[in-house]
Amino acid sequence: DTEVTQTPKHLVMGMTNKKSLKCEQHMGHRAMYWYKQKAKKPPELMFVYSYEKLSINESVPSRFSPECPNSSLLNLHLHALQPEDSALYLCASSQQGGDEKLFFGSGTQLSVL
Amino acid sequence: GENVEQHPSTLSVQEGDSAVIKCTYSDSASNYFPWYKQELGKRPQLIIDIRSNVGEKKDQRIAVTLNKTAKHFSLHITETQPEDSAVYFCAASKGGSYIPTFGRGTSLIVHP
Repeated sequence: DTEVTQTPKHLVMGMTNKKSLKCEQHMGHRAMYWYKQKAKKPPELMFVYSYEKLSINESVPSRFSPECPNSSLLNLHLHALQPEDSALYLCASSQQGGDEKLFFGSGTQLSVL
Repeated sequence: GENVEQHPSTLSVQEGDSAVIKCTYSDSASNYFPWYKQELGKRPQLIIDIRSNVGEKKDQRIAVTLNKTAKHFSLHITETQPEDSAVYFCAASKGGSYIPTFGRGTSLIVHP
């Protein structure tokens, strides 16, 4: 299995809602990432988990809360988002130990109304 | 930190022509250079990568070259096809980091 699976594919939420994005991989990768991407722009790193511990937080607002329940799962909890948070949210994983190849999920297209 | 410049931002070619996308990086410690292709509405996918101990790598119609001295690397696509139309991102990272710095992307349009 060389897939990173993300759900849901599309999400529309109001500014007072709470929702969660989910990501799963079964490649045995020990690093998992959340990226935010605006149309035709490069992915912007948000968070990195390494061996299930948060290793990088790129000064992301607290309305985004990551969680790594186990080595295969990654969640992103959303609360009180702003319209400018509308974007494609991509999960990725990589096998640490010298192989830096990133495997991306298909993403969640998020619209905040 | 690392800075990656990518040119051009848009590239329009006729089917069958070659396409070249160029990137420069700033950190001489960077040693891994992947290229990702992202079709409209889809995920970025790694298409080719090169490490700093290699000067060139080929995979069918695509190739990547690296000039460590000048700190630049390029993607070459020969015999372009309409399905090559996508946004291409270069990236650079250094060993132990696993965090690539992306270029701003090149939108490649291949006209039939």
